[in-house]
Amino acid sequence: DTEVTQTPKHLVMGMTNKKSLKCEQHMGHRAMYWYKQKAKKPPELMFVYSYEKLSINESVPSRFSPECPNSSLLNLHLHALQPEDSALYLCASSQDSSRQGARGTQYFGPGTRLTVL
Amino acid sequence: DQQVKQNSPSLSVQEGRISILNCDYTNSMFDYFLWYKKYPAEGPTFLISISSIKDKNEDGRFTVFLNKSAKHLSLHIVPSQPGDSAVYFCAASARISNFGNEKLTFGTGTRLTIIP
Repeated sequence: DTEVTQTPKHLVMGMTNKKSLKCEQHMGHRAMYWYKQKAKKPPELMFVYSYEKLSINESVPSRFSPECPNSSLLNLHLHALQPEDSALYLCASSQDSSRQGARGTQYFGPGTRLTVL
Repeated sequence: DQQVKQNSPSLSVQEGRISILNCDYTNSMFDYFLWYKKYPAEGPTFLISISSIKDKNEDGRFTVFLNKSAKHLSLHIVPSQPGDSAVYFCAASARISNFGNEKLTFGTGTRLTIIP
């Protein structure tokens, strides 16, 4: 099973709203990632969590706030977003890369299509 | 600075023929390479990968070739099928932390269309 699930599938929000994106995996992966993808562009890394700790923040604005409640769940809290934040938000996970032969492959969820009005 | 490049934005191939998608990279720290397939409004689906210590990896109809000296990799799909029509992203990986986390850098993608 290489499934990563994301909810909601679509989200429309105003600039003053607070919303959250959710991601879940049950593959025992210990690294989880948030990516942002604009139309006709490649996915761009936002955050990396490893063993439930934030290990990388790619200079993402504070209006995006990630959270990893446990090893299977990853949230992205949204507040005071701008219209230019409209994009497909992708979650991914990968195995503990210290295990031989397990490195490199990230498995992606279907994404949440976010529209900020 | 685009560290991973896919210079062909689109490619059309007749069904049953070979599809060849190309990717170039500039960063010598990349040591693992992956190909992902993406349909509209879906997340990327992992296809095949290759470590920098190898020059070829094969999985069914998909073969990835790596030329380290040229910093070039390619994905061969043979025979091509209509269901292969999608956007294909090349990605390069480098370790970014002591935990072994991988940072993927994606190319801009190639839209492959298989003509029945």
